[in-house]
Amino acid sequence: DSGVTQTPKHLITATGQRVTLRCSPRSGDLSVYWYQQSLDQGLQFLIQYYNGEERAKGNILERFSAQQFPDLHSELNLSSLELGDSALYFCASSAGLAGHEQYFGPGTRLTVT
Amino acid sequence: QKEVEQDPGPLSVPEGAIVSLNCTYSNSAFQYFMWYRQYSRKGPELLMYTYSSGNKEDGRFTAQVDKSSKYISLFIRDSQPSDSATYLCAMGAPGTASKLTFGTGTRLQVTL
Repeated sequence: DSGVTQTPKHLITATGQRVTLRCSPRSGDLSVYWYQQSLDQGLQFLIQYYNGEERAKGNILERFSAQQFPDLHSELNLSSLELGDSALYFCASSAGLAGHEQYFGPGTRLTVT
Repeated sequence: QKEVEQDPGPLSVPEGAIVSLNCTYSNSAFQYFMWYRQYSRKGPELLMYTYSSGNKEDGRFTAQVDKSSKYISLFIRDSQPSDSATYLCAMGAPGTASKLTFGTGTRLQVTL
């Protein structure tokens, strides 16, 4: 158990809808990262927050947004969902800003129908 | 061409064998190298972290980095059926260390 928690475990929704994924980092970690994992693309970095502020962005679509709250939990919002958004979404956390050692949560499996 | 290349496998070995998993990369700025293990339908688990070139050993696992060849390896000694998983390499560069680039993973099957 990495200490990172994610909810929900599974999510099934229809195209055009909006969903929110939630992540709680390990105790004491200030950085939270979001990744998307699909069969054809592998693990893709989406975005990083550090102590409430956005610090790094990857190939995150404009339809996706994230935030980190004062208690350090983070939410990833996915809107106008498309079939291609079906994937595993992982949250990871690290102690500092430079996330060499990132600890991953169990993931949320999103299925868009 | 992808920044990080990793043979997807599957790689099947008998129990007790020495396993060699490899990644090549093209970005010479990468200085931080990690190996993650991912069981089916689970999150990646950090196995090894190395900085720059050289070897690092942890129990049955040895990570090796050859920056001159842009090649990293993970060796697993005395492989066990519980080692059956997908192994992902990941890399980061100074200044962008939070943005890790992952290989697509090698699926390993250790048979009895």
